[in-house]
Amino acid sequence: AQSVTQLGSHVSVSEGALVLLRCNYSSSVPPYLFWYVQYPNQGLQLLLKYTTGATLVKGINGFEAEFKKSETSFHLTKPSAHMSDAAEYFCAVKVKAAGNKLTFGGGTRVLVKP
Amino acid sequence: GAVVSQHPSWVICKSGTSVKIECRSLDFQATTMFWYRQFPKQSLMLMATSNEGSKATYEQGVEKDKFLINHASLTLSTLTVTSAHPEDSSFYICSASPDWGRHENTEAFFGQGTRLTVV
Repeated sequence: AQSVTQLGSHVSVSEGALVLLRCNYSSSVPPYLFWYVQYPNQGLQLLLKYTTGATLVKGINGFEAEFKKSETSFHLTKPSAHMSDAAEYFCAVKVKAAGNKLTFGGGTRVLVKP
Repeated sequence: GAVVSQHPSWVICKSGTSVKIECRSLDFQATTMFWYRQFPKQSLMLMATSNEGSKATYEQGVEKDKFLINHASLTLSTLTVTSAHPEDSSFYICSASPDWGRHENTEAFFGQGTRLTVV
């Protein structure tokens, strides 16, 4: 079965600083990987996804993530944090052989300091 | 992008009563819908997957008689929490997809969630 681990349940960054959110997955077959953002009392919005092809994926709001098979990682980055980036971020994996269910990591809450 | 709407956004109900949550895909036909539960400061846990016109497939440990899911049309799925108890209080989120699993770029769109409080 696939699983997702997000290192760090909370991350605090200064406005303008680099945002780095870590995600490692476990899957016996090539997975599809996703990053979602959740604002308070709201549903999830897709930031970006990796299916096949280019391993560096660009998403919305200036975020990008790189799929590294050798490290089983899919870390999310943004060069310069903005106050509006304060939210909860979830990494998720989907494996076709496992019924295409989305399995979510524990989430990382991002706090942006002015 | 595609829009999924949940209603209500929040609901308070008395212990022992039932409450229904609706999930609608507003601008696409959702062949597959998912229901998740999210406890405070925790991740999303998949409760069940429903395909239009079929019975929902529940995840292990989810009581299908307590959490009734109906996906009677391509734009509407409902989750009914029957005989609700305080421990059922949670944030419930649905997602919907027009073509889940059919190709690699398939995507699921999330509703805004429903906060249920049972008193």
